[in-house]
Amino acid sequence: GDSVTQTEGLVTLTKGLPVMLNCTYQTTYSPFLFWYVQHLNEAPKLLLKSSTDNKRTEHQGFYATLHKSSSSFHLQKSSVQLSDSALYFCALSVMSNYNVLYFGSGTKLTVEP
Amino acid sequence: NSKVIQTPRYLVKGQGQKAKMRCIPEKGHPVVFWYQQNKNNEFKFLINFQNQEVLQQIDMTEKRFSAECPSNSPCSLEIQSSEAGDSALYLCASSPDSISNERLFFGHGTKLSVL
Repeated sequence: GDSVTQTEGLVTLTKGLPVMLNCTYQTTYSPFLFWYVQHLNEAPKLLLKSSTDNKRTEHQGFYATLHKSSSSFHLQKSSVQLSDSALYFCALSVMSNYNVLYFGSGTKLTVEP
Repeated sequence: NSKVIQTPRYLVKGQGQKAKMRCIPEKGHPVVFWYQQNKNNEFKFLINFQNQEVLQQIDMTEKRFSAECPSNSPCSLEIQSSEAGDSALYLCASSPDSISNERLFFGHGTKLSVL
């Protein structure tokens, strides 16, 4: 069935360092991939989205490229800030399933001074 | 600020009690989703609507959970007989269509604690 895998549960980094959060997916349909960010006690917010193969998408300093050949949509940032500390979720939707989102297990990013 | 309004923000119930939470979708959004986010931050899809019609729901929802989106009233999710395992954050999200999630917005959620 359709699913998303995030391999890192917890990532701790020092401010200013680069980060990559892994996301791979499984589906037999045409995928639409998303990254959501959830700060403490807040609603999940859309960070990035893509359905275009091999095209980099960027927002607020974060970027990701959908690679259908490897079923991946890794999230990257070249220099993390303290305010980036949050939960990050990768999610998959497919049009055949009324756009229900399949979420990964999430990665908690903690940025230290 | 979230454009999807969920009430109450916190809900505490005893086992066996009914728990009801409400969601006002963003204006003009006919598609509404309910997700459950457990204490391990795992998301589970529960049900979705387009206007008043159910599009899809999971098996669990059909047993103790009920949901509706009446016209001109908030959407609601109700658990008939709460269990400890139902303790979670219940997130409502709305979208302008069922074709794309590009403009899907989540509410802050209702945090349910079943004692």
